[in-house]
Amino acid sequence: SQQGEEDPQALSIQEGENATMNCSYKTSINNLQWYRQNSGRGLVHLILIRSNEREKHSGRLRVTLDTSKKSSSLLITASRAADTASYFCATAAGSGYSTLTFGKGTMLLVSP
Amino acid sequence: DAGVIQSPRHEVTEMGQEVTLRCKPISGHNSLFWYRQTMMRGLELLIYFNNNVPIDDSGMPEDRFSAKMPNASFSTLKIQPSEPRDSAVYFCASSLSEKEKLFFGSGTQLSVL
Repeated sequence: SQQGEEDPQALSIQEGENATMNCSYKTSINNLQWYRQNSGRGLVHLILIRSNEREKHSGRLRVTLDTSKKSSSLLITASRAADTASYFCATAAGSGYSTLTFGKGTMLLVSP
Repeated sequence: DAGVIQSPRHEVTEMGQEVTLRCKPISGHNSLFWYRQTMMRGLELLIYFNNNVPIDDSGMPEDRFSAKMPNASFSTLKIQPSEPRDSAVYFCASSLSEKEKLFFGSGTQLSVL
């Protein structure tokens, strides 16, 4: 299965701290994406990193990709209570037809 | 743009009844996806349409589930007859292609009693 697996399953931190979530996958990819889901809402796309990229930034988000280890990490710096949500990684296979496959997610709780 | 629009937001029905979920994708997006989310199984792809044509329906659980996309601006997911194990949140998403970023609707919370 191409499915990405996030780690940890749950993470609890204080406001101002950094949050790091990891994603591992099994086969070659075209790209890897991170999404956020607030309780009771749809998923929101955060960032897409292609297989030939190693790092990408968007505001307080930093994503790294290590294709040799088949892993990615999402770093949220200076977290806020509003960052409380579930975070999912999704992978698109490297060749041929492929839809995105989502992992089970990391639940992040940021306490004031 | 209003984003992906799903209706209804919540649906409560009794076992055996027909359920129809509706989706309006973002204008210009040629890929449309139906996902189901549960605590146990996470987010599962049910069916993927490209240019209104079903490309991959391997995730549709069984014949009780059917999906249509009669035009570029409308899709339905129908469950007939519904069963309690169908209770889940159903999401519609659209994108420019199957490997690019998805835009999700707010979902339909389905409860089958």
